Amino acid sequence: NAGVMQNPRHLVRRRGQEARLRCSPMKGHSHVYWYRQLPEEGLKFMVYLQKENIIDESGMPKERFSAEFPKEGPSILRIQQVVRGDSAAYFCASSLPSGTELYFGPGTRLTVL
Amino acid sequence: QKEVEQDPGPLSVPEGAIVSLNCTYSNSAFQYFMWYRQYSRKGPELLMYTYSSGNKEDGRFTAQVDKSSKYISLFIRDSQPSDSATYLCAMRNQGGKLIFGQGTELSVKP
Repeated sequence: NAGVMQNPRHLVRRRGQEARLRCSPMKGHSHVYWYRQLPEEGLKFMVYLQKENIIDESGMPKERFSAEFPKEGPSILRIQQVVRGDSAAYFCASSLPSGTELYFGPGTRLTVL
Repeated sequence: QKEVEQDPGPLSVPEGAIVSLNCTYSNSAFQYFMWYRQYSRKGPELLMYTYSSGNKEDGRFTAQVDKSSKYISLFIRDSQPSDSATYLCAMRNQGGKLIFGQGTELSVKP
């Protein structure tokens, strides 16, 4: 029973490039959440999606960041024109529709040079 | 003021000690309370989940929620070096997003 899958595990980008982070939820889970973790900080909520629908994007920066969860395929967190401040660990979590318990993936560590 | 406050530590204890980890919160609408464990450079792992007030026990771990004081705790009995990790409290209201504390770094020394 595979858990939440994220890829790539490590991603290096130069300033101005685009970063695409992928998340496949646990089997049977239709809700996906993205969190960002900076060194020495807790997890900060970014966005909550269900298939083809954004439920809550109150934690997403207004520019350069977008997320989707299509009917088929993984959820994608997209960061355009990356800057050094985007360097962080990005975690995806999934849940059942009841949404009570969230299960996290191993994260993608983004480094912006 | 942050919605969820957690002392970042670090907390260092000898093997076999009882560990007490705590969080306070300000939003009285929170109903679901969780504790996650995160090893270095890994994803958070769900340890305990509690709905509303009360206690919940799972092996060496006990979670307590006191909604009247807006205070939650995680106790670890007979702590082991393998318990060394960062412990994150998290909470949410019905249908809301999960809000995390900063995490407490725990080190259990052999």
